[in-house]
Parts: sequence; structure tokens; C-alpha cells
Amino acid sequence: GNSVTQMEGPVTLSEEAFLTINCTYTATGYPSLFWYVQYPGEGLQLLLKATKADDKGSNKGFEATYRKETTSFHLEKGSVQVSDSAVYFCALSAPNTGNQFYFGTGTSLTVIP
Amino acid sequence: DTGVSQDPRHKITKRGQNVTFRCDPISEHNRLYWYRQTLGQGPEFLTYFQNEAQLEKSRLLSDRFSAERPKGSFSTLEIQRTEQGDSAMYLCASSLGSGEYQETQYFGPGTRLLVL
Repeated sequence: GNSVTQMEGPVTLSEEAFLTINCTYTATGYPSLFWYVQYPGEGLQLLLKATKADDKGSNKGFEATYRKETTSFHLEKGSVQVSDSAVYFCALSAPNTGNQFYFGTGTSLTVIP
Repeated sequence: DTGVSQDPRHKITKRGQNVTFRCDPISEHNRLYWYRQTLGQGPEFLTYFQNEAQLEKSRLLSDRFSAERPKGSFSTLEIQRTEQGDSAMYLCASSLGSGEYQETQYFGPGTRLLVL
């Protein structure tokens, strides 16, 4: 079946620290992979995506590389800011599954000044 | 550019009552999805529409739940005889495409339901 496993939080970092949030997946076929972010009181927003192996998605200083050999899509940022405090969700969409997204449980990030 | 909107944003109801939520997708989007998110969990798929046709329903969608998209634009999700276990955030998303699974889904702010 299809599923996503994210590292558990919460994660607390100081401003300018390096961020990694781990995400691994199982899927039938070759999925597309997404990171969504949810700021307090707001809806899910697409952060970045990758649709095939070795693709790198990037946005707002965040990056994630689709690694087929390790079935991973880890999110990284070199220097986090207080404004990055949010919940981050890894998700996949797989062929022949009706386009539904499968989400991880989310990782809460708090960045302190 | 207006995004996905949902109404109401919050709903408190008593057990046994019926509730209805509305979702207005991005205007040119032909696909619409409903998800449910409980505290500390990621969203779980409930159902989706392509235009007015409901193409898939999750096992999570019990007989008390019904969704419609009568003219291929807005959608409603109704829960009959609500139970306390229905308390959750109900999310709507939409996308544009021909069914390719690489499509990005755009999410609304959600309707938070509390059943007392």
C-alpha cells in the first residue's frame, strides 16, 4: 500500500540553525512527493514538490530531493528563521490511486530567536 | 487570485444533529477533494470529484456522510446524526488537470467541527 512516515516532533531550533525533517515512503509504482506547510491558524500550503526520481524541489530556501533508492524525501533548510515556525507535512500521490494524497503525521517546528 | 474557500470555519453542534459544510474551489479547477484531519495527525482522504462526478470514496466515509458537487463547481459535505468521533478539521482541496497524479492540490482553510 501507500504510506508516508515522518520524523516525530516537536522540533525546536535556534534561529539560523540547520533543519532536517526526515520523510520516507512506501508506494505502488512511482509516486509524486510533496511537502506542505501549515502555519498557525491557516490552511495547508504547498512548499515544494518532486515528480520523479532525483528531482529536487526547492522554495523559500527549503529543499528536498526525491531519492528512489532510499524511498526518502527529506526536507532541509540551511538557516531557519522564526517565521518558519509551522507544522510540516510530507505527502505522496501515487498512480492508480484516484489522485488522493497520503500524508504523514506532520512535524511541528518552533524556531526561537 | 482567490484560493479555495470553506464555510463555515467553525461549527459546534450537539450529538445527533446534522451539519453541512461548503467548499468553493479555485474557479477553473475540475477536481475537488475532501479530507479529514484529527489533532496530531495528517489529513486523511475522504472522497473526490472530477467535475460533478464522485469518483472515489474512502472507507472512512460512513453512510452518515454524503458529498455532492451538483454543477461541478462548489461542493457540500453533510454529516447526519453526528457523533463525538466526528470532531475534526474537514479540509477541501482542488486541482486542475486530466487526472495525472503529479497534480498539486490546493487546500482551503478548513472547517473545524466540534460535536458535544
